[in-house]
Amino acid sequence: SQTIHQWPATLVQPVGSPLSLECTVEGTSNPNLYWYRQAAGRGLQLLFYSVGIGQISSEVPQNLSASRPQDRQFILSSKKLLLSDSGFYLCAWSVGNKETQYFGPGTRLLVL
Amino acid sequence: QKEVEQDPGPLSVPEGAIVSLNCTYSNSAFQYFMWYRQYSRKGPELLMYTYSSGNKEDGRFTAQVDKSSKYISLFIRDSQPSDSATYLCAMSASGGGADGLTFGKGTHLIIQP
Repeated sequence: SQTIHQWPATLVQPVGSPLSLECTVEGTSNPNLYWYRQAAGRGLQLLFYSVGIGQISSEVPQNLSASRPQDRQFILSSKKLLLSDSGFYLCAWSVGNKETQYFGPGTRLLVL
Repeated sequence: QKEVEQDPGPLSVPEGAIVSLNCTYSNSAFQYFMWYRQYSRKGPELLMYTYSSGNKEDGRFTAQVDKSSKYISLFIRDSQPSDSATYLCAMSASGGGADGLTFGKGTHLIIQP
């Protein structure tokens, strides 16, 4: 069966510090991978999606970037965090032409 | 007008009641519809998936889609305290999987024992 991991689970970072969040998927090959941010009262916002290694599409301009160095690894990064980057970051995967997406446990980021 | 509208609640009902959760949307291209359940501080988990209009039943859960009205519903029968969570509707226009889903903001549901 497929499993998705995210780490860390919780992170507290000062403004201006760098960020690296990691997501890995097990039990499937060539998944579509997604990064979402969930902010209080604002719902889930798609940040990036990837259909393959090195292929990244960005949905909104922002202070963040994403990379996919391996088939089942997706990384969310920032060089300098802003207060507005605080939120709950969720990684998700889907396969092929399937619409359904499956979410990881999330990383709660607090920027102070 | 937002693409997907969902009443944030909270919606509080007694145990055993039938719960009705709803979303409306504006994009007529949406044809894939999902409901996710999210417990506090956890990732969303897929509950129901339907394509186009119609009903789908899975145990105590029934999903309905009315594309003519741009309205989707999730019914929970014999509600349990463990059903207390935030319910997110999500939808997509393409079946290609390469696009993200458009989500409602979620309805916070409380089942009173």
